[in-house]
This record gives sequence, C-alpha cells and structure tokens, in this order.
Amino acid sequence: KAGVTQTPRYLIKTRGQQVTLSCSPISGHRSVSWYQQTPGQGLQFLFEYFSETQRNKGNFPGRFSGRQFSNSRSEMNVSTLELGDSALYLCASSSDRLSGNTIYFGEGSWLTVV
Amino acid sequence: KNEVEQSPQNLTAQEGEFITINCSYSVGISALHWLQQHPGGGIVSLFMLSSGKKKHGRLIATINIQEKHSSLHITASHPRDSAVYICAVTNAGKSTFGDGTTLTVKP
Repeated sequence: KAGVTQTPRYLIKTRGQQVTLSCSPISGHRSVSWYQQTPGQGLQFLFEYFSETQRNKGNFPGRFSGRQFSNSRSEMNVSTLELGDSALYLCASSSDRLSGNTIYFGEGSWLTVV
Repeated sequence: KNEVEQSPQNLTAQEGEFITINCSYSVGISALHWLQQHPGGGIVSLFMLSSGKKKHGRLIATINIQEKHSSLHITASHPRDSAVYICAVTNAGKSTFGDGTTLTVKP
C-alpha cells in the first residue's frame, strides 16, 4: 500500500509569490490534515479536510488555504509569501482523524522563501 | 504557558537504559498522540491514546486523564531510537503539539 505522497519535496520561492503544495493520501483515506513545522514555533496544525470539506482550521491567516478533491487528494496554497512562511509543510492522512484512526504522515515539503 | 508541555527537552541515554518522556496538557482532549520524528523530517505516529495504556514492542504509552498527563516509556533503548518524540493533543478537532523531546541513545 503506497504511503502519503507530498510534492514537491523541496522548493524555493520569492517573497510575494504564491505556492501550491500537493498531498496524495493513502488509498481509501478520506481525512487529510496539514501542518507547518518551523524551528521557532514547532509543529502547528493548519487545517483538515474530510470528504472534500474543511472540517477544522488552526490559527493561521487567510493567506493559507486548501482544498480536497473527490479522490481525496489535497492541495494547500499560500499566497503573498513571507519570509516567515519558510517551513516544512507536512500532510497526514487517516480513515478519519477524529475517530481515533491512525494518522500517517508524508515526508513533507520543504519551502524556503527568499 | 503552552497548552502542551513536554519534559525533558533533551535526553541522552546509554544503550539498554529505560527511558521516560513526559507530556502534560492543560486543555480537555479527545485524544493524545505520541509521534516520532527522525532527522530529515519523516514523522511516524507511535500511539493514539484516549485512556489507559498501550504497548507496542519496546514502547509503552500511558495516559492519566484526571491528571492531564501522559508518559512514553522505551525499554531496552537502542541507538535507532534516537529521534525527536512529540506529544500532540486533539481538542475540538484541532491538534496542538508539544515542543518535542530530543532523545539520543549512545551505544
């Protein structure tokens, strides 16, 4: 069974640009959640999608958005990039995160904003 | 004060030692997770707890809901256990993470 796949793995963007990250969950999983990890703030919850609907959202500005497609693949978008958005962005999938099912993480997308 | 506090922040042990990492939280939770992160970023979910105790191989996780405290124990530690261990709690659908405990096990 293939794991959670995130693309791209590494990318460099310039301040003010926007970026789209992709996450393909494990087959059959309907829950996809996104996280940001930085040295200063640690791991932080961005949002979760379940069956194409955003079910929960963390405390991030509106520049951070996401969506989920009918095949459960998810994308997150960050607009008007700031230097502080440089981070590891992790995606995780689960049958249903809130029902106590195991969550499986992807390897992450390393974003550097210059 | 963070909603999730882990201790210790750093831990160095000799191979074979028994290790305990602690997690205290200040909010009501629906579940608590222990995660393991190796250098390079990959995260593995070790346990999900809502009560009691779970064991998987040399790893044991316990939670005391009344005291809002969880512990992760590693028996017979091995250098391959060297990683960052992160406690995470889920409350109202949102997850909050501890700052992690960096464990180094020396041969």
